[in-house]
Amino acid sequence: KAGVTQTPRYLIKTRGQQVTLSCSPISGHRSVSWYQQTPGQGLQFLFEYFSETQRNKGNFPGRFSGRQFSNSRSEMNVSTLELGDSALYLCASSSGWGQEQFFGPGTRLTVL
Amino acid sequence: QKEVEQNSGPLSVPEGAIASLNCTYSDRGSQSFFWYRQYSGKSPELIMFIYSNGDKEDGRFTAQLNKASQYVSLLIRDSQPSDSATYLCAAEAGGTSYGKLTFGQGTILTVHP
Repeated sequence: KAGVTQTPRYLIKTRGQQVTLSCSPISGHRSVSWYQQTPGQGLQFLFEYFSETQRNKGNFPGRFSGRQFSNSRSEMNVSTLELGDSALYLCASSSGWGQEQFFGPGTRLTVL
Repeated sequence: QKEVEQNSGPLSVPEGAIASLNCTYSDRGSQSFFWYRQYSGKSPELIMFIYSNGDKEDGRFTAQLNKASQYVSLLIRDSQPSDSATYLCAAEAGGTSYGKLTFGQGTILTVHP
C-alpha cells in the first residue's frame, strides 16, 4: 500500500508570494490533517479535512487555508508569505478520528 | 502551559539497554496517544498507537498508558544505534478535536555502541 505523498518536497519563495502544497493520502483514507513544524514551536496543527469538509482548525492566521477534493487529495495554501512561515509542512492521513495518523515526507518551505 | 510534556532530554543509553521515554498530558478528554520517531531531516514515523489503559507491545517497543495519572510512556528494549532519533509523544482529544494531534516537544535519544 502506497504511503502518503506530498509535493513539492522543497520550495523557495520570497516574502509576499503565495504557495500551494499538495498531499495525497493513503488509499482509502478520507481524513487529512496538516501540521507545521519549526525548531522553535515544534509540531503545530493547522487544520483537518474529511470528505471535503474542514472539521477542525488550529490557531493560525487566515493566510493559511486548505481544501480537499473528492478523491481525498488535499491542498494547503499560504498567501502573503512571511519569513516566519519557513517551516516543514507535514500532512497526515487517517481513516478517521481515533485512528492512526501517518505522515507524509513533508514539504520544506523557505521564505526569503 | 503546554498540553503535552515529555521528559527533558537528551537521553543517552548504551546499546542493548532499555530506553524509557515519558509523557504527561493535561487534557483529560484525550482519547488516543501516539509515539512517533523522527530522524533528523525526515518526517515523523508512527511507532506506537495506544488508546486503552495498560501496556501494548510491538516488537522491541512497549507503550504504557495510565489515563488516571494522565501518563503515557514508551520503552525500547535492546536499544540499537539505529534507534537514535527524536521521539515525539502526541495526544488526540475527544469531542470535536477531529484530526488534531497535540505534540510534546520531543525527546532526543542517543544509543551509543
